[in-house]
Parts: sequence; structure tokens; C-alpha cells
Amino acid sequence: EVQLVQSGGGLVQPGGSLRLSCAASGFTFSFYAMHWVRQAPGKGLEYVSAISTDGAGTYYVNSVRGRFTISRDNSKNTLYLQMGSLRAEDMAVYYCARYSNSAYDYWGQGTLVTVSS
Amino acid sequence: QSALTQPRSVSGSPGQSVTISCSGTRSDVGGHNYVSWYQQHPGKAPKLMIYDVSKRPSGVPDRFSGSKSGNTASLTISGLQTDDEADYYCCSYAGSYTWVFGGGTELTVL
Repeated sequence: EVQLVQSGGGLVQPGGSLRLSCAASGFTFSFYAMHWVRQAPGKGLEYVSAISTDGAGTYYVNSVRGRFTISRDNSKNTLYLQMGSLRAEDMAVYYCARYSNSAYDYWGQGTLVTVSS
Repeated sequence: QSALTQPRSVSGSPGQSVTISCSGTRSDVGGHNYVSWYQQHPGKAPKLMIYDVSKRPSGVPDRFSGSKSGNTASLTISGLQTDDEADYYCCSYAGSYTWVFGGGTELTVL
């Protein structure tokens, strides 16, 4: 069974940092690109970042480029999102998602990031 | 990259059909056959319903179908059931390793 189990969310002050993790199981993690998608409270879904199978290619939505870093450890079957210089507008539920056949076929349970002083 | 345009809400009675539109540009919906649709119940993670415009993942009922014409994609749900009541999002590849979602449509089954 494919599972994506997320951890690392929480409360952080504006300007602070946080690292999200997404532990994968039930499939060959290194075969799939992985993405992060977020959803602000009461709002729609937004693509945040993507990473290639080997981690060599990383991509970001303009609003987080330079502040967020996506990475993966294929030996640990884990995806990460290092978030820095956090702003109020970054507050959201963050989902990791497996990217397959040009779509997000499996999603993590989501983790809430609250940015507030 | 602007969000794709979806109606804020649609509704239908059990057994009826509804169609949700997703309008974009030739840079996203019109330029790629990589449109997907997601169902999201309150407090839950999204679930893939349609990929590559019109393909259904295993386990998704054939009551769900997708199509595209020009810069607009559509999701049709036939034989509405109460459990179909949820938010629905379209998503398209927009080139240069960017992806864009629609604003979401709330489906109410009356």
C-alpha cells in the first residue's frame, strides 16, 4: 500500500524557518518525482515545489523561490521541504504528493504550518 | 502564473449530471494534455479522479469523465450520489516545470 506520512509542521514566527518531511512507503520512491502542494485556510490548492527522481532537478513557484528548498533522500525514502523567511501568506496545510502520469496520484495527510507572532 | 478559472459552486440532485469547467490559456490547459482533476472532502487530502484530460485511475467510478476543448477542460459527474458532494479542483501543467490549479468548485448534491 502506498503511503506518504508527513511530519514537521507547527507554529513559527514570521521570518522563521521550518522543515517538513514526507516519509514514503509501499513503492519505489526513487522512481518518482515528488511535489509539495499547499492550501491556505479556506482557499484552493497551490503548487509549491517539485523535485526530480534523483534530486538533481528542483523547481519552485515564484513566491517561494529563494526561501524554500526541496530535497529528497532516496536511501531514506523521504522528501523534505526546508522553509525559510516565512511570511503570513505561507500559512497553509502543506501536502506532499507523488507525481505520476502527469498527475498527483497519492497524497500525504497534510501538515499545518502556522506563521504568527 | 494565474490560477485556472472554475465556477465557485455547482449543484445537482441525486441521479443527475453536472459539469465543472476549468478555463485556462494556451500556455496551460490549451497547450498540454496534462489536465487532472481532484476531489477533496472537508478536512481530507485531495484524491485524483481524472488525469491526462480524460483517463480514470483504477477505482474511480466511470460516472466521472473528463474532456477538453481548446483552453477549457471539463469534469462531468453523472448519476450524482450524495458522497460526490465535495470540492473539485482542476490542475494543468503550464510548461517550464510549473503547475497551476483552479480555484476549486464546491459541488452540492441537493
